[in-house]
Amino acid sequence: IQLTQSPSLLSASVGDRVTLSCKGSQNINNYLAWYQQKLGEAPKLLIYKTNSLQTGIPSRFSGSGSGTDYTLTISSLHSEDLATYYCYQYNNGWTFGGGTKLELK
Amino acid sequence: EVKLQQSGDELVRPGASVKMSCKASGYTFTDYAMHWVKQSPGQGLEWIGTIIPLIDTTSYNQKFKGKATLTADKSSNTAYMELSRLTSEDSAVYYCAREQLYVMDAWGQGASVTVSS
Repeated sequence: IQLTQSPSLLSASVGDRVTLSCKGSQNINNYLAWYQQKLGEAPKLLIYKTNSLQTGIPSRFSGSGSGTDYTLTISSLHSEDLATYYCYQYNNGWTFGGGTKLELK
Repeated sequence: EVKLQQSGDELVRPGASVKMSCKASGYTFTDYAMHWVKQSPGQGLEWIGTIIPLIDTTSYNQKFKGKATLTADKSSNTAYMELSRLTSEDSAVYYCAREQLYVMDAWGQGASVTVSS
């Protein structure tokens, strides 16, 4: 299964509502997770099974979707959210999307 | 606290092999599979493969078959990945990551491999 993330680069301001997209080449059956990676750090799990928030992750992060189309939403962008975000499917093997880099406008 | 401590950065010659380690602590090593992930400079994440330490079963991304070999030592709670016949294309940061319910929920700090003569 191939994952396509859009946009590849997103410019936003602190306080903005931000939406990142991930599209699978076939049905993912909600086995979709999201990771955040800051520069020089390992990825961090944010969301699993489409919309389950990992322990310790702020509630401004949320996930949704079904079938082939999934979304990560940050309800109000904080400066510490600037990072690259990867979607990841585990319905059929394990595949990462190409990433969306979130930068300050 | 779950912790995955990876071995240090490596500088290796083309054609050589390198073996890196990932020592687990804070959980029962044999209860979870361990994945390995590659991140080339400025690029995204690629799944290399996974090992189930309890039964020494491995699964590989087709792209890395023959390149990567995954092993685990239950006595020391350590997973290993060996990369063979290294080329410049293998220069990257490599991560180990624990799997919980098919999701990689804890990651090592990463180990950089630079292939250069």
